[in-house]
Amino acid sequence: GQNIDQPTEMTATEGAIVQINCTYQTSGFNGLFWYQQHAGEAPTFLSYNVLDGLEEKGRFSSFLSRSKGYSYLLLKELQMKDSASYLCAVRVMEYGNKLVFGAGTILRVKS
Amino acid sequence: KAGVTQTPRYLIKTRGQQVTLSCSPISGHRSVSWYQQTPGQGLQFLFEYFSETQRNKGNFPGRFSGRQFSNSRSEMNVSTLELGDSALYLCASSLDPSGNIQYFGAGTRLSVL
Repeated sequence: GQNIDQPTEMTATEGAIVQINCTYQTSGFNGLFWYQQHAGEAPTFLSYNVLDGLEEKGRFSSFLSRSKGYSYLLLKELQMKDSASYLCAVRVMEYGNKLVFGAGTILRVKS
Repeated sequence: KAGVTQTPRYLIKTRGQQVTLSCSPISGHRSVSWYQQTPGQGLQFLFEYFSETQRNKGNFPGRFSGRQFSNSRSEMNVSTLELGDSALYLCASSLDPSGNIQYFGAGTRLSVL
């Protein structure tokens, strides 16, 4: 089976740092993706991890531990526009683009 | 460079009807995947097409089908619509199925009455 868990909602303050966790149990693993989705809009790609460790991209960083089935997305210097749903997804095929998504974490940034 | 384009953006249908949704991938992208997004189930994989062939399929009934044309554009069809088919249908494209990043279109919001 495929199971991806993320917190349902989080609230943080503008300028702060927030960490969104994702744990997964999937039959197959070939990369983990984080997407951001604003209400009524398309998911937009944030980060991709296939090897253990930290990937940094500006204010966003993503970490992966394959042995623990765990990832997190770190958002620094939060801005109001970061209020959105953050989706964790695992690519479960060795070849192919089948992504299994978590339910998403709604992040609310308050001033 | 234009992004993934999905048409129409909104659709209202009644039970029993059928519907066809269209997706034009980013220029040069040859892999197209379809997802259904609902509040209760989140994003669920429907199928993936590459070089006009369906390569992967999710756990949806046979009423859901699709195809890809030689220019990589893809269509998805749902026959005998049910109320539970009301959802946002998202298309994503990537260069090929070898693990490249998928880029999503804005989706088609289907309401079944």
